[in-house]
Amino acid sequence: SQKIEQNSEALNIQEGKTATLTCNYTNYSPAYLQWYRQDPGRGPVFLLLIRENEKEKRKERLKVTFDTTLKQSLFHITASQPADSATYLCAPLDSNDYKLSFGAGTTVTVRA
Amino acid sequence: GAGVSQSPRYKVAKRGQDVALRCDPISGHVSLFWYQQALGQGPEFLTYFQNEAQLDKSGLPSDRFFAERPEGSVSTLKIQRTQQEDSAVYLCASSPGESYNEQFFGPGTRLTVL
Repeated sequence: SQKIEQNSEALNIQEGKTATLTCNYTNYSPAYLQWYRQDPGRGPVFLLLIRENEKEKRKERLKVTFDTTLKQSLFHITASQPADSATYLCAPLDSNDYKLSFGAGTTVTVRA
Repeated sequence: GAGVSQSPRYKVAKRGQDVALRCDPISGHVSLFWYQQALGQGPEFLTYFQNEAQLDKSGLPSDRFFAERPEGSVSTLKIQRTQQEDSAVYLCASSPGESYNEQFFGPGTRLTVL
């Protein structure tokens, strides 16, 4: 069956450091992979989409990599700030997918 | 409106009661999704509409769950004879149309069944 695994433990980091989150998937052949941010009591907010033919994508302080051989995506938050504290969710999509299947998410806390 | 809105934000129901949850998507968005999110988990797909057509209801957990979008805009998720295991956050999302497009989520309705 299809499975999406994210960092099993919460991430606590010092402001200014880089947070690295892992998303591993099995029994998917994703053409795309999306990352979302979710704050407590709110719905997820889209951050980035990376396509299977893109190895890396950047948006401001965020960087996502996509390794279809390892079946893994890495999500980096550089120069982290307390405002980056949230839960981050990954969602791989096959080429004809329309519905999102999420991992359980990784909760990041950035200490000032 | 500026984004997806949902109402009510919180709903407490006694076991056995029927509930109706409303979603107002972003105007013009063709696709509408409902997800269920348990505490500490990612959202799980329930059902998908393209305009007024319900194209996928494979995620609905039982026949007590019913969703509609009669005019292709507002959608309602109805749960009949609620059970304690129905307690969760119900999220609605909309998107402009292409399958891989980002989805815009509402704030969710937290349902607690006593």
